[in-house]
Amino acid sequence: DAGVTQSPTHLIKTRGQQVTLRCSPKSGHDTVSWYQQALGQGPQFIFQYYEEEERQRGNFPDRFSGHQFPNYSSELNVNALLLGDSALYLCASSLKNRPLGSEQYFGPGTRLTVT
Amino acid sequence: GDSVTQMEGPVTLSEEAFLTINCTYTATGYPSLFWYVQYPGEGLQLLLKATKADDKGSNKGFEATYRKETTSFHLEKGSVQVSDSAVYFCVCTGGTSYGKLTFGQGTILTVHP
Repeated sequence: DAGVTQSPTHLIKTRGQQVTLRCSPKSGHDTVSWYQQALGQGPQFIFQYYEEEERQRGNFPDRFSGHQFPNYSSELNVNALLLGDSALYLCASSLKNRPLGSEQYFGPGTRLTVT
Repeated sequence: GDSVTQMEGPVTLSEEAFLTINCTYTATGYPSLFWYVQYPGEGLQLLLKATKADDKGSNKGFEATYRKETTSFHLEKGSVQVSDSAVYFCVCTGGTSYGKLTFGQGTILTVHP
């Protein structure tokens, strides 16, 4: 049973560029959430997708956008990159109709460095 | 919105010492509480959880009790091992943010032989 996978593992971009990160949820899961983890900090919620729509959003600017595909995989896009966007980006998968308190499963993350 | 505060770290202990990592939360309604752990070079994984007041979550010798009256969910282990060295995150969900996990800042635990 494949867990949550993310690609690429590492990425280096220049300020002002755009980046796309990808996530495949755990088999059987239909919901994907994205988090940003700055060095030495806890992950911060960016947004959540299910049924191919953004359902919740954290306090992130519109430069951060996403997409969910019919196979439940998801992309995170960041435009006009800033140095402060350097972080580990985590994807978590779960079931939309899960009982309260059910686990979210995390991928290994994509390390983005903006220079 | 919801928030989680963990004790300042890092924490350094000798093997077999007692561990406590304090965690308090702010949330409306009835949040679920979790401890997630991030081992070196690995992804975040659930350690334990509690979904209602007075519930005790436990796993791998770790325990935490959901205390609604003190809005706390402190993590404890009676005898730590070197293999417990990791970053521990206190997390809440539900309340006003169902589906969204709100993380504390994390506590780095290092256990020496």
